[in-house]
Amino acid sequence: GNSVTQMEGPVTLSEEAFLTINCTYTATGYPSLFWYVQYPGEGLQLLLKATKADDKGSNKGFEATYRKETTSFHLEKGSVQVSDSAVYFCALPAYNFNKFYFGSGTKLNVKP
Amino acid sequence: EPEVTQTPSHQVTQMGQEVILRCVPISNHLYFYWYRQILGQKVEFLVSFYNNEISEKSEIFDDQFSVERPDGSNFTLKIRSTKLEDSAMYFCATLPGQGDTEAFFGQGTRLTVV
Repeated sequence: GNSVTQMEGPVTLSEEAFLTINCTYTATGYPSLFWYVQYPGEGLQLLLKATKADDKGSNKGFEATYRKETTSFHLEKGSVQVSDSAVYFCALPAYNFNKFYFGSGTKLNVKP
Repeated sequence: EPEVTQTPSHQVTQMGQEVILRCVPISNHLYFYWYRQILGQKVEFLVSFYNNEISEKSEIFDDQFSVERPDGSNFTLKIRSTKLEDSAMYFCATLPGQGDTEAFFGQGTRLTVV
């Protein structure tokens, strides 16, 4: 079945630092890939998505490119802010959409 | 913007009691899911529901759990006899249909079993 492996956290960065959170996947076919964000005390919000190979999803300065050859969907941001402190989850659907697989989550702490 | 609504936001219950968590899906969405997240841990799949029946469930979703759409709009998760280890955030999610789209999540219900 499909699966997602995400780098362990927490990740602690200073404001304006460059961020990379690694995500690799195993999938049947070429499903859409997602990054969700969970701010403290809140639910899961879609951050960005990519629907096919070589697509780049972007939102709020975050980007991720769907790499079929390396089965990766790494999240990047050039300059993080304190307000980006949250937990980030990589996700993809099962082939029949009976569930979504989530990575273990990476907690990002951004210090002023 | 349409959203998934969950109630209550926080529920405290005594061990052994029954709880019902409620979700109002986005109108016209066809797939419904329950996930849970024990504090600070990963997001765990519980069950999915499509066409008025369970389409998949995890090993967590044992006989103590059930789901239904009692009135064709609300989507509920019932835990018959709560245990301490059921304490978690429970998230409802919905999906319009198959295709290249994301699941929409509610804000969650924090269940505390004492």
